[in-house]
Amino acid sequence: ETGVTQTPRHLVMGMTNKKSLKCEQHLGHNAMYWYKQSAKKPLELMFVYNFKEQTENNSVPSRFSPECPNSSHLFLHLHTLQPEDSALYLCASSQETSGYNEQFFGPGTRLTVL
Amino acid sequence: GQNIDQPTEMTATEGAIVQINCTYQTSGFNGLFWYQQHAGEAPTFLSYNVLDGLEEKGRFSSFLSRSKGYSYLLLKELQMKDSASYLCAVETGGFKTIFGAGTRLFVKA
Repeated sequence: ETGVTQTPRHLVMGMTNKKSLKCEQHLGHNAMYWYKQSAKKPLELMFVYNFKEQTENNSVPSRFSPECPNSSHLFLHLHTLQPEDSALYLCASSQETSGYNEQFFGPGTRLTVL
Repeated sequence: GQNIDQPTEMTATEGAIVQINCTYQTSGFNGLFWYQQHAGEAPTFLSYNVLDGLEEKGRFSSFLSRSKGYSYLLLKELQMKDSASYLCAVETGGFKTIFGAGTRLFVKA
């Protein structure tokens, strides 16, 4: 595997379900991100982890719970979601060098909440 | 507040030149990125500007004016495969990047 991988690619869940999204990066980067992409809206930064430590929580509802066990893996645990949470969830990683922070994105998980 | 504006859609002809503009108002500025995103795919890096001026990279060039809060992406010799969304993004500091909503470019024959 190369780059940034995400599983599953598609997920349909009911509002009472609990599910998890997984992201893995094979680039040796120190930072990992979760973004939400809704139709015709900007990418919304949700969480940032740098060396496994959470550095950003962009006022995300508690029904989204991130976990970063090491610099290569990132999870997003989902519970009691709402239909408006249906979106593409993108994971990204980067290796910041002197302020240059190019992000490498995974293919995303298309989430539908019924 | 933080704001990045870019046109919603543009249409151009194969072989032509197109300029996609981006204006931004952010609380911090470490650099400006352009990403390309084909439908159903992940965004991929195109260019990065931190100083004023033009950065050229093959058929793609990106310009930045920090005093005006303005950037543009210039695509030359357009090809059908350039049909995609182009995302303007400002890194404001501390691993935080603000994205614009993207410009959908349609290239017609």
